[in-house]
Amino acid sequence: GAVVSQHPSRVICKSGTSVKIECRSLDFQATTMFWYRQFPKQSLMLMATSNEGSKATYEQGVEKDKFLINHASLTLSTLTVTSAHPEDSSFYICSAIGTSGGEQFFGPGTRLTVL
Amino acid sequence: LAKTTQPISMDSYEGQEVNITCSHNNIATNDYITWYQQFPSQGPRFIIQGYKTKVTNEVASLFIPADRKSSTLSLPRVSLSDTAVYYCLVGDRNSGYSTLTFGKGTMLLVSP
Repeated sequence: GAVVSQHPSRVICKSGTSVKIECRSLDFQATTMFWYRQFPKQSLMLMATSNEGSKATYEQGVEKDKFLINHASLTLSTLTVTSAHPEDSSFYICSAIGTSGGEQFFGPGTRLTVL
Repeated sequence: LAKTTQPISMDSYEGQEVNITCSHNNIATNDYITWYQQFPSQGPRFIIQGYKTKVTNEVASLFIPADRKSSTLSLPRVSLSDTAVYYCLVGDRNSGYSTLTFGKGTMLLVSP
């Protein structure tokens, strides 16, 4: 099946710093990628949808200036958490859909801890 | 957006068949039903997808009645490693599942 990777798998940073998370589709081209956030013992919450070469569409309540998304190619999307604070600590998961459509393939997730 | 309702948790023993039912009363004509499995600190893993009647693959079966207002994921002979959260989602496959919304999922605990 299609493989989606994320890097890093976990990151610890100080409050006020910015963190970039990469999401790559390894064996297929992804026209659309999604970013989710998951707090402990809760479900996944969609943050934004990004299409290659265009601006991301953010869900209500998600600050676009804080969570910068760049989908520069058909195999790479990045999420940058700017000026991170402890409340941004969460599990961030990306997913991707191939050019022919179909189901979403999820990455392994990135655990962000902001001290 | 089609909302789904699942049991919060289920318990089972090794070797038993487990059936998890999901309600999606306002499913749209173009919506498919997809089930994912998630282990702690991992991304969701695709299990099975269907539109109507019955779908079977090497790990599960999906039963969908004619009115499509519910679906049942059937896991045959579960093992301890099947302990996970199972999510039922409905979404328009043709629009890239942009309408997918994760519900609370069902926490399945398999005991020896």
